[in-house]
Amino acid sequence: DTAVSQTPKYLVTQMGNDKSIKCEQNLGHDTMYWYKQDSKKFLKIMFSYNNKELIINETVPNRFSPKSPDKAHLNLHINSLELGDSAVYFCASSPIKSTSGGKFFGPGTRLTVL
Amino acid sequence: QKEVEQNSGPLSVPEGAIASLNCTYSDRGSQSFFWYRQYSGKSPELIMFIYSNGDKEDGRFTAQLNKASQYVSLLIRDSQPSDSATYLCAVSGGYNKLIFGAGTRLAVHP
Repeated sequence: DTAVSQTPKYLVTQMGNDKSIKCEQNLGHDTMYWYKQDSKKFLKIMFSYNNKELIINETVPNRFSPKSPDKAHLNLHINSLELGDSAVYFCASSPIKSTSGGKFFGPGTRLTVL
Repeated sequence: QKEVEQNSGPLSVPEGAIASLNCTYSDRGSQSFFWYRQYSGKSPELIMFIYSNGDKEDGRFTAQLNKASQYVSLLIRDSQPSDSATYLCAVSGGYNKLIFGAGTRLAVHP
């Protein structure tokens, strides 16, 4: 069974379009995250939600809007896509009380903006 | 100044050797440290975490932490070609977020 799943796996779109990426976890975790990995493989946190509440909002353009309908889902909507948005976007989750604090990552969504 | 620094590599080691991966961090208040492995085109996978100064061993992997020197390392004994991947060092920040280094690419050759 997939622990953290994302759709779509690949997303190719034109500049200026609006797109969404969906994420679901079946681990029963309380906290979910969106990370962005750029072409240099640098992985950086964008957002974190705990039980549907936004707790981390890094310096991300407001064209990016996360939405958490319930604690098992965290979606990412991106408006007016730009070339620089091309990256791999990873969803992750973790329990709020974790002995390790480690995150479980989804398979990633490779976004290409043309 | 980058918060978590790693040598990008590639680090090339022969099969059976010990691979040593290093990481330094800038926030003295960091409490938890993680090593993730990421195969090309795949997602990061947690392989080790360490909280206390000293060594922590798990199978062929040993994580070493020196908080005074703000230094974390990962040793992989008896390296195998299947260990070839990018290894990401991560440090806990506030609100349970992780701050990642850029990763070190490891290549184990037969």
